[in-house]
Amino acid sequence: AQSVTQLDSQVPVFEEAPVELRCNYSSSVSVYLFWYVQYPNQGLQLLLKYLSGSTLVESINGFEAEFNKSQTSFHLRKPSVHISDTAEYFCAVTEGGSEKLVFGKGTKLTVNP
Amino acid sequence: DSGVTQTPKHLITATGQRVTLRCSPRSGDLSVYWYQQSLDQGLQFLIQYYNGEERAKGNILERFSAQQFPDLHSELNLSSLELGDSALYFCASSEGTGYPETQYFGPGTRLLVL
Repeated sequence: AQSVTQLDSQVPVFEEAPVELRCNYSSSVSVYLFWYVQYPNQGLQLLLKYLSGSTLVESINGFEAEFNKSQTSFHLRKPSVHISDTAEYFCAVTEGGSEKLVFGKGTKLTVNP
Repeated sequence: DSGVTQTPKHLITATGQRVTLRCSPRSGDLSVYWYQQSLDQGLQFLIQYYNGEERAKGNILERFSAQQFPDLHSELNLSSLELGDSALYFCASSEGTGYPETQYFGPGTRLLVL
C-alpha cells in the first residue's frame, strides 16, 4: 500500500529565509504527486503537481518541487518565504489507476518576522 | 474559491445522533470525493462517487454512508455518532474524465460530537 511521509511536523523560519518541506512516498508503481496548502480555517488548495515530464514543477507563488524517483521524494522548496506563506502543507500521492489521494500528516510552516 | 460548496460549515451534535453533510461539486465535475481530517488520523480518504455510482472506498466506517444524486451533489451521512467522529470533513470534486486528475476541495464541514 502506498504511503506518504512528511518528515517534519513543524517548520519555523524567518521571513525571506529559504525553506524546504520534505516528502517521501512509498509505492511500487508509477505515481502522481501533489502538494496542497491549507491556510488557517480554510480548505485545501492545490499548490503544484507532478504528473509526468519535467521533474521540476513550479507554482505561481514561487514554490517548486522536484520529483526524485530514485529517492522516492517530492520535496517542496521556496528560496525566500513571506509571512503570508504561513500555512499547513500536505504532500499527497495517487498511484496509476487510482483516483484516491493518500496524504501525508502535513507540515506546519510558520514564517516569523 | 474552488467552486466546491459544503454545508453546513459547522455542526455540533451529541453522541448517538445522525447528521448529513452536503456537497455541491464544481460545475461540470462528475466525481465527488469525501475525506476526513482529524488530529490523530490526519487526512483520510473515505469514499468516491462518479456520476451517481460508488467508484472507490477507503477507510469509511459502516456507520457512515454516502450517495451522489442525479444533479451530482453528494451527501455524507454519519450515524450513531461517537466522540471520535469529531473532525473536519472535506468534499472534493474532479472532472471524472480519467486519472490523473486534480481534485478541488471545498471549505469543509467541522463536526463536533459532544
